[in-house]
Amino acid sequence: TQLLEQSPQFLSIQEGENLTVYCNSSSVFSSLQWYRQEPGEGPVLLVTVVTGGEVKKLKRLTFQFGDARKDSSLHITAAQPGDTGLYLCAGPYTSGTYKYIFGTGTRLKVLA
Amino acid sequence: NAGVMQNPRHLVRRRGQEARLRCSPMKGHSHVYWYRQLPEEGLKFMVYLQKENIIDESGMPKERFSAEFPKEGPSILRIQQVVRGDSAAYFCASSPQIGGQGNTEAFFGQGTRLTVV
Repeated sequence: TQLLEQSPQFLSIQEGENLTVYCNSSSVFSSLQWYRQEPGEGPVLLVTVVTGGEVKKLKRLTFQFGDARKDSSLHITAAQPGDTGLYLCAGPYTSGTYKYIFGTGTRLKVLA
Repeated sequence: NAGVMQNPRHLVRRRGQEARLRCSPMKGHSHVYWYRQLPEEGLKFMVYLQKENIIDESGMPKERFSAEFPKEGPSILRIQQVVRGDSAAYFCASSPQIGGQGNTEAFFGQGTRLTVV
């Protein structure tokens, strides 16, 4: 059974701090996606990583896909209150499908 | 993802009633996925449909739940005889086609929050 475990589950930090969120699995994924979800809204795609070892940057957010394509991380530099939300990683059950397995989620709160 | 429209946004049903959730995919998208999210949890896959076909319903409970995506009109997720445990947020995602390597992206709607009282 494929599982995506995220850590930490909850994170409360002060504005300006850095943080890293992890997404781990014992299974290999053809790609992994990171989403952010705000209360009352649907998930919004942040990035897709495809190649093992790949690093992608989105302003203050840095995403990395593990060499073995079993894990990924999201690093936020100088967090801001606007970064507050639920961060979800997701991967396809099988390559070429949008049937996703979602991680357990990391709920981030950035205090001003 | 603003293009995927779900309605209603909030739905309250008494135990035993039926709930109908609608999803209009983005223009040009012919694939729809339904997910369920319980409070404080991630999303769980329920069913994958193309126009007039159910492709994969492995995540959907065998009883009381059904889904359709007719040739015309929105996709419908139907829950009969709702119970308190059905209370959750239900999300729909749409895509234009099956994703290939590195092309795995679907767009989510804002969800329907179902509360069973």
